Amino acid sequence: SQQGEEDPQALSIQEGENATMNCSYKTSINNLQWYRQNSGRGLVHLILIRSNEREKHSGRLRVTLDTSKKSSSLLITASRAADTASYFCATAPAGGGADGLTFGKGTHLIIQP
Amino acid sequence: DAGITQSPRHKVTETGTPVTLRCHQTENHRYMYWYRQDPGHGLRLIHYSYGVKDTDKGEVSDGYSVSRSKTEDFLLTLESATSSQTSVYFCAISESGSPEDGYTFGSGTRLTVV
Repeated sequence: SQQGEEDPQALSIQEGENATMNCSYKTSINNLQWYRQNSGRGLVHLILIRSNEREKHSGRLRVTLDTSKKSSSLLITASRAADTASYFCATAPAGGGADGLTFGKGTHLIIQP
Repeated sequence: DAGITQSPRHKVTETGTPVTLRCHQTENHRYMYWYRQDPGHGLRLIHYSYGVKDTDKGEVSDGYSVSRSKTEDFLLTLESATSSQTSVYFCAISESGSPEDGYTFGSGTRLTVV
């Protein structure tokens, strides 16, 4: 079963606006990751935040993690048409394991020009 | 970056036939994964490997088998394809050597079972 659940399922905003996506998960984690998937392509790793971190930045991306609420958010600032894609969160469970990451169902982001 | 290629990119097959999908990496990464992606379900783990001849089942392994006789190749076989196995299949590797770090994905195989 899915560990992470993204919210909203779909999001449409104007170019230049900020986009925020949320991820909730159920069990304790070692880290949480965000991936982007362009139409017809494989997933691309964007950013990883560890369970002892609260916020992380990478370029126009800002990720927060609240382990007490078992939730994370991904903020994309100053959105561009090229940001149109699906975004997935993935969790690495506490205690590890070779079976690795569990992915959510994704948020489909559309940037209107 | 590790080179990771999946073949074929597209395949149409008939119900009841066996199908093998290939994932090939150009470096000696230990962990390799097969996922399927379906609308409304996201990515679900089918099988994974943590070394040559070391494989295990994931969440949706029924009807699938895998083999890893060489580090660089991870094969996924649909023993007798069914329409419910129509999906997009992704292979992923962990380049860092840890199953908890970021994955690199292949471009996917779109499989249609008719």
